[in-house]
Amino acid sequence: EADIYQTPRYLVIGTGKKITLECSQTMGHDKMYWYQQDPGMELHLIHYSYGVNSTEKGDLSSESTVSRIRTEHFPLTLESARPSHTSQYLCASSEETVEAFFGQGTRLTVV
Amino acid sequence: GQSLEQPSEVTAVEGAIVQINCTYQTSGFYGLSWYQQHDGGAPTFLSYNALDGLEETGRFSSFLSRSDSYGYLLLQELQMKDSASYFCAVSAYTDKLIFGTGTRLQVFP
Repeated sequence: EADIYQTPRYLVIGTGKKITLECSQTMGHDKMYWYQQDPGMELHLIHYSYGVNSTEKGDLSSESTVSRIRTEHFPLTLESARPSHTSQYLCASSEETVEAFFGQGTRLTVV
Repeated sequence: GQSLEQPSEVTAVEGAIVQINCTYQTSGFYGLSWYQQHDGGAPTFLSYNALDGLEETGRFSSFLSRSDSYGYLLLQELQMKDSASYFCAVSAYTDKLIFGTGTRLQVFP
């Protein structure tokens, strides 16, 4: 069973608020990813990290930022939430880019 | 950049065999993997191909042709619980893991 956790599972927040989505894994994986997925749609890579203090933007432009201060922790922050940020955010980790383990996701609604 | 294309939807009946294709464009290709995602759930890993050929895991098999930038997932003896979305994903030397457009499989009794 994968040991990767995301909190909160659901979040409804007002426009302009700052939010941080948490993602933690206990598998010691170097590689971690954030994806954005709308219902029934594809997964878009928005950020990834290949180790501590290394983060890169993905293929989908995002106003969010990430940090990787510890191997196990990869939080995503939105400084000022907007309705266009409403989506599901999925965090994943992998030892190599062979088998990625996903958290259960955070469903974000910005009103 | 990288891009992966899949059919948007496939339908089949229980007990049948279905093939989901994936064509990709990428630089620094490492391998092609497949994931299953049920509605409301998280993607789960099914298989991975780094070399040309067929990999078999129970009822599921995955194929890769690096020269054609093409792969497919083969599902045999379909069951109702196989109704889900299936994604191919490309891993490259950049450490990215890029997912395809996804194929929604509906299995009918």
